[in-house]
Amino acid sequence: DQQVKQNSPSLSVQEGRISILNCDYTNSMFDYFLWYKKYPAEGPTFLISISSIKDKNEDGRFTVFLNKSAKHLSLHIVPSQPGDSAVYFCAASSSGSARQLTFGSGTQLTVLP
Amino acid sequence: GAVVSQHPSRVICKSGTSVKIECRSLDFQATTMFWYRQFPKQSLMLMATSNEGSKATYEQGVEKDKFLINHASLTLSTLTVTSAHPEDSSFYICSATTVGAHYEQYFGPGTRLTVT
Repeated sequence: DQQVKQNSPSLSVQEGRISILNCDYTNSMFDYFLWYKKYPAEGPTFLISISSIKDKNEDGRFTVFLNKSAKHLSLHIVPSQPGDSAVYFCAASSSGSARQLTFGSGTQLTVLP
Repeated sequence: GAVVSQHPSRVICKSGTSVKIECRSLDFQATTMFWYRQFPKQSLMLMATSNEGSKATYEQGVEKDKFLINHASLTLSTLTVTSAHPEDSSFYICSATTVGAHYEQYFGPGTRLTVT
């Protein structure tokens, strides 16, 4: 049973445009959400996070939106750059989980020059 | 800051042998370390959680006698794959977290294990 789902395995976007990566979750106990970026044969790199008490968090070109009622979060990257091409994982955690993260299956973003 | 290293980055071993993978937090003290494995084009699957000085907590379906985890200090955790078989071939990644990091985990670069 996948508690964190990324339904789009891949996404292609033109350089300079907005990239929107989506993530859905089913566990209502999740109260903290994170996005990681991963290049092949490397470990994930933390990008941005959001607590369930917020609905938006922004850091430079990256903005994460959280819709608790829909159990949905999204990562917006604007403007997209070729160097953003990577696999993006969303992850979720809950207060009682000993800080364990549950990861989605990832979305391969390709930014075309 | 928050750099995690893993060694080796790539290892090939024969079936039946054991392999040790090290995970180190270089510039912070890791209160908790996690071990994941990732199959091609799949998500990261948590194998176990370890806290310094105590036994690791394994996820359901992970054999603790096969995947030995030692977290001897606040900067070092090791994963030993014992009696490796070809189906153990995978990408193993560790992560670490510390007191002030909330839920963020900092990941090592991963170890590609190939069992022949």
